[in-house]
Amino acid sequence: NAGVTQTPKFQVLKTGQSMTLQCAQDMNHNSMYWYRQDPGMGLRLIYYSASEGTTDKGEVPNGYNVSRLNKREFSLRLESAAPSQTSVYFCASSEATGGLGETQYFGPGTRLLVL
Amino acid sequence: DAKTTQPNSMESNEEEPVHLPCNHSTISGTDYIHWYRQLPSQGPEYVIHGLTSNVNNRMASLAIAEDRKSSTLILHRATLRDAAVYYCIRIQGAQKLVFGQGTRLTINP
Repeated sequence: NAGVTQTPKFQVLKTGQSMTLQCAQDMNHNSMYWYRQDPGMGLRLIYYSASEGTTDKGEVPNGYNVSRLNKREFSLRLESAAPSQTSVYFCASSEATGGLGETQYFGPGTRLLVL
Repeated sequence: DAKTTQPNSMESNEEEPVHLPCNHSTISGTDYIHWYRQLPSQGPEYVIHGLTSNVNNRMASLAIAEDRKSSTLILHRATLRDAAVYYCIRIQGAQKLVFGQGTRLTINP
């Protein structure tokens, strides 16, 4: 199993450009998440999808959109990139069987620089 | 407040035990305590979690205070590979992790 995979690994954008970050998991998990991590900080939740067909806002959703394409894939889109969106983006997934205390599995991250 | 309080940094020596403290004084009865760690340039990885009683796994032990207002992650014999940022997290709501700044653990050879 590859676990959680993310593409691309690195990306440089100019202000105003758009791009989509891709995430896929092969663990048959129901829930998927997008986080961002700024230098020296902890992770902050952008959006999450508790199950296929549903998405909800997290702590910092402004400037982002998400699509839960199917059970495996959860993409994050920046419609008009801004320098404040320079960050490392992590995707995660969990079984989400309804019980508290579930483990989340994280991808390797996408490093995004917006000039 | 869903956040926990951890020291910004700690240092230990290789092959010695490490005790990483976490304060969660406002925890509610059904909140789990999770620990994740983040190695340099990698995504976070799960370490251990617990609710009320102490927990052990192959990576670490988790000691939870009787009043549940604090907990301690114990690495029994630190190696250089254990150098990472360790996050103590309360689970509130359905599987939402709220990350603080964590404790940066340095291991000296």
